[in-house]
Amino acid sequence: DIQMTQSPSTLSASVGDRVTIACRASQNIANYLAWYQQKPGSAPKLLIFEASNLESGVPSRFSGAGYGTDFALTISSLQADDFATYYCQQYDDYWTFGQGTKVEIK
Amino acid sequence: QVQLVESGGSVVQPGRSLRLSCAASGVTFNRYGMYWVRQAPGKGLEWVAVISFDGSNRHYPDSVKGRFTISRDNSKNTLYLQMDSLRPEDTAVYYCAKSSSSSGYHSRFDRWGQGTLVSVSS
Repeated sequence: DIQMTQSPSTLSASVGDRVTIACRASQNIANYLAWYQQKPGSAPKLLIFEASNLESGVPSRFSGAGYGTDFALTISSLQADDFATYYCQQYDDYWTFGQGTKVEIK
Repeated sequence: QVQLVESGGSVVQPGRSLRLSCAASGVTFNRYGMYWVRQAPGKGLEWVAVISFDGSNRHYPDSVKGRFTISRDNSKNTLYLQMDSLRPEDTAVYYCAKSSSSSGYHSRFDRWGQGTLVSVSS
């Protein structure tokens, strides 16, 4: 089974900050990597697919990068609406999620 | 606009069964693979089942294999999850999600329902 490890688990930031969340796969997954945003009491929402492709309707301040085993999600200028938990997911061999990164207000 | 609406969650005793449903609208349902994903209280996301567009392929993780069965009725635009021999560790919000592909494999989850809560407790 492919394991996904995110860091950090919690990130404290202010509006306007540039934030980056890392995700590492236990084996090569090429670019079969997605990022999701989840707010309390709501379902996850797809942000990025194939490691760097922005889902339709997602603001351009979100971007993804990486290939193989190391990936990153970057929010270029954090907005109030972005405080949430973010999950990476591999879909190369079935599906596995990272443990999540909570982005909270500093 | 794609809408996925889950139903069927409730409180159930260990060892009993429950069937969840997910009604789809705003999408050509019979063209896409579908999934069930769960989230235990305060925890992360776990994929639970996948089914291809025509129901010919299905897979499960070891945690539910042999106890859960995913199915679909394309004439009713509805996805199901039959859960048998339920355990306390199956307690979670269960989400249905839509694949971006017909097979469901090598695919992300591009639309999600709002979830339905299953609580397994005596």
